[in-house]
Amino acid sequence: GAGVSQSPSNKVTEKGKDVELRCDPISGHTALYWYRQRLGQGLEFLIYFQGNSAPDKSGLPSDRFSAERTGESVSTLTIQRTQQEDSAVYLCASSHGTEIYEQYFGPGTRLTVT
Amino acid sequence: LAKTTQPISMDSYEGQEVNITCSHNNIATNDYITWYQQFPSQGPRFIIQGYKTKVTNEVASLFIPADRKSSTLSLPRVSLSDTAVYYCLVGHYSGAGSYQLTFGKGTKLSVIP
Repeated sequence: GAGVSQSPSNKVTEKGKDVELRCDPISGHTALYWYRQRLGQGLEFLIYFQGNSAPDKSGLPSDRFSAERTGESVSTLTIQRTQQEDSAVYLCASSHGTEIYEQYFGPGTRLTVT
Repeated sequence: LAKTTQPISMDSYEGQEVNITCSHNNIATNDYITWYQQFPSQGPRFIIQGYKTKVTNEVASLFIPADRKSSTLSLPRVSLSDTAVYYCLVGHYSGAGSYQLTFGKGTKLSVIP
């Protein structure tokens, strides 16, 4: 079946602009996750959704970051007033609600802020 | 939250068994340990998960000692296609439906012909 998809695959934006990153999880997966991976670094956990709810938003790096999920399906990660330090690959993953640790990752969106 | 520490890199020859250890000294009672593999320009891929003792699947084994302060991923008879970065993840349920997921910085495994 179809895996996790993310769009766009690459995004180049100017400092100060807003960007919206999209994630389409595997159908039927109630849990959805966002991570950030800076060049050559590990994964930084940002936020987790169970259904359409995110119980804890403390992993978001700043108030410029927000995320939402609708219809227990697609999720968007929005970064307002982008800064150069936001440049990274943003990875989305999904899983069955009871299998939090067996996550299926998308290919990521590479964000470059110039 | 459990902080994880892994070796930055490892080299191995084809056909050898490779063991990668992750330290997680302050792991909590209900935390689980998971390992992922990542190839360049791809998202990570689930390998194996465990809580204690030993878990084995078709691609790897995971050894977790009784104190659970570390875990070791064992890859039998590696091939060139196993060259990748391997991450350990400690998952912590912090209540009220909230999880904290702490990935290690990853171990870059290079398999040499």
